[in-house]
Parts: sequence; C-alpha cells; structure tokens
Amino acid sequence: QVQLVQSGAEVKKPGASVKVSCKVSGYTLTELSMHWVRQAPGKGLEWMGGFDPEDGETIYAQKFQGRVTMTEDTSTDTAYMELSSLRSEDTAVYYCATLPLVAAAGTYYFDYWGQGTLVTVSS
Amino acid sequence: SYVLTQPPSVSVAPGKTARITCGGNNIGSKSVHWYQQKPGQAPVLVIYYDSDRPSGIPERFSGSNSGNTATLTISRVEAGDEADYYCQVWDSSSDHPGVVFGGGTKLTVL
Repeated sequence: QVQLVQSGAEVKKPGASVKVSCKVSGYTLTELSMHWVRQAPGKGLEWMGGFDPEDGETIYAQKFQGRVTMTEDTSTDTAYMELSSLRSEDTAVYYCATLPLVAAAGTYYFDYWGQGTLVTVSS
Repeated sequence: SYVLTQPPSVSVAPGKTARITCGGNNIGSKSVHWYQQKPGQAPVLVIYYDSDRPSGIPERFSGSNSGNTATLTISRVEAGDEADYYCQVWDSSSDHPGVVFGGGTKLTVL
C-alpha cells in the first residue's frame, strides 16, 4: 500500500516560487512514477507533469514548461514540485499522485493520491 | 490537444441508475479512467482501463467505452455517491503527450 503525505499549506506573493513536497511510504520512490495534478478553487483537475516510465524521463504539460520543476530525493523517498513566477491564477490545491507499479505505456492512470497542498498566491 | 467533454451535472434519485458520459474524438481507441472526488478530499480511482474496478470499489460502479463516448454507470445510486466525477486518458497523439482530464461532472442525488 502506497501512502503519500504532502507538505503544508503555503501563502506566496506574486512572482515568488513555491516548492511542495510529497513523502512516500510503503514503497520506495524509485519503484514509483510520480506525477503532479492541481485543482483551482471550484475548478477541475489539471495535470502538470510527471515521470514517464516508458521514456524514463520527466515530462511537463506544455502550459507549465519553463515554470515547473519536478525533482526527487531518493534518499528520503520524497518528491518535490517547484513552481516559479507565481501569479494569482496559480492559487490551487496541488496533489501528488502515482502511476500503478506496472503501468502499461499509453494507458497511464493514478492509483494513489496525496492529501493535497493548498497554495495561495496573494499580494 | 485532445479534449474530453463531460456534462457539468447529472441528477438521479436514490436507487436509480446514473450515467455520466465522457466524449472525445475516437475515445474508444484509448483507455479511459474515472475518478470520484468528494468535497475537500483527494480524487479516488473508481474505474480503470474502461471497465475495471479497483479493490474496494462497489460492483455498482461500471464503465464502458466505444466510438466517441465513454460512460461511467452507477447502479442503485446511494446518497454517498454524490460527488464530482472525472474521466481521464493518456494522450499520446500530439507532440506533447500527457494526461488529459475531462472537465468533471457533479452528480447530485435527489
């Protein structure tokens, strides 16, 4: 059973950066493919990017390329998502989520989710 | 980029059957996955690979996918099924492959 525990809520000013963490337990981070999804208040789910096990690379949604960086610390089994140049529209709950241990290429889905981290961008 | 279209809302009486659709161009050629999200909670996977159920999900939840429409069916709806439902696919057809979510459907149990 995978458990994902995320860092606490953040309040940031426009133009700043935020770094959200996601601690894995039950498995090691190297066994998993971590992704990030966000949800603005009252809105739907929006995929930001994650590790593609078929290519062995981290891929980002075009909307966030150049502004988001996803990293991993395998020594602590913690994944990170850093978003820069924040604006008010980035106010959202950010979720980490994992692909299944055996993920067939081209059919990815998320079987475990973190509890979410609220990031508020306000001057 | 690939677009998934869901109705914003669906209403159903308790004990009846709810059907939530997810439209996309030739979506029948893709694997569709469905999530349930209740207020203040993270999404929960309820259907994967069009029609498979994760352990712990009631048999009342089923899925189908053909042509340009995938459907999540909830039989014998209960008050506890009231939630937002999202469909999702992996789009590998563009220059920027990635996950695509539908806009979500709010299921109201009357």
